[in-house]
Amino acid sequence: DAKTTQPPSMDCAEGRAANLPCNHSTISGNEYVYWYRQIHSQGPQYIIHGLKNNETNEMASLIITEDRKSSTLILPHATLRDTAVYYCIVRTFTQGGSEKLVFGKGMKLTVNP
Amino acid sequence: NAGVTQTPKFQVLKTGQSMTLQCAQDMNHNSMYWYRQDPGMGLRLIYYSASEGTTDKGEVPNGYNVSRLNKREFSLRLESAAPSQTSVYFCASSEPGLGETQYFGPGTRLLVL
Repeated sequence: DAKTTQPPSMDCAEGRAANLPCNHSTISGNEYVYWYRQIHSQGPQYIIHGLKNNETNEMASLIITEDRKSSTLILPHATLRDTAVYYCIVRTFTQGGSEKLVFGKGMKLTVNP
Repeated sequence: NAGVTQTPKFQVLKTGQSMTLQCAQDMNHNSMYWYRQDPGMGLRLIYYSASEGTTDKGEVPNGYNVSRLNKREFSLRLESAAPSQTSVYFCASSEPGLGETQYFGPGTRLLVL
């Protein structure tokens, strides 16, 4: 079962920041928060991940609350190409071996012109 | 650098027929995965391979077999296809360790009549 809760959908105006929320109230101390997105039936695409600190890369920023029970993915200037289903996933880090991503239903972000 | 490639892109089978879905990655990753995605749903893990020579069941392995042919290739076989196996199949690969992210192929769309 997915360990995260996301709203089913959200709209955003093109050029504005899109703030995508995620609740993960049962997260453990060594579990990472990952974000992937899936654009129209393509394979999922990695966006960003974090443990405790806020993270930023060329695609997005990830803000994790101090208690780590929720996080927000920020797309600073949303474009029409950002329309996709966004998945917030909690992953346990282990050294060696494989880890399984448990995808929930995700959240459909629609960027409107 | 093609990343993760899958063949075929699309396939129609009759109930009871068999087929093998092929996946290859050129990123020298140790871990590989097979997922299925049904309409409106997230991805569910079928099988994974932590390293060459090892395979393990995921969430929905029934009706499937896998072969980790070498480090590059991971195939998924349907011995006797059923309509319930109509789905989109995604292959992914990753390198285990800190910050592991999975890279996905474009998917194979399978229709079983």
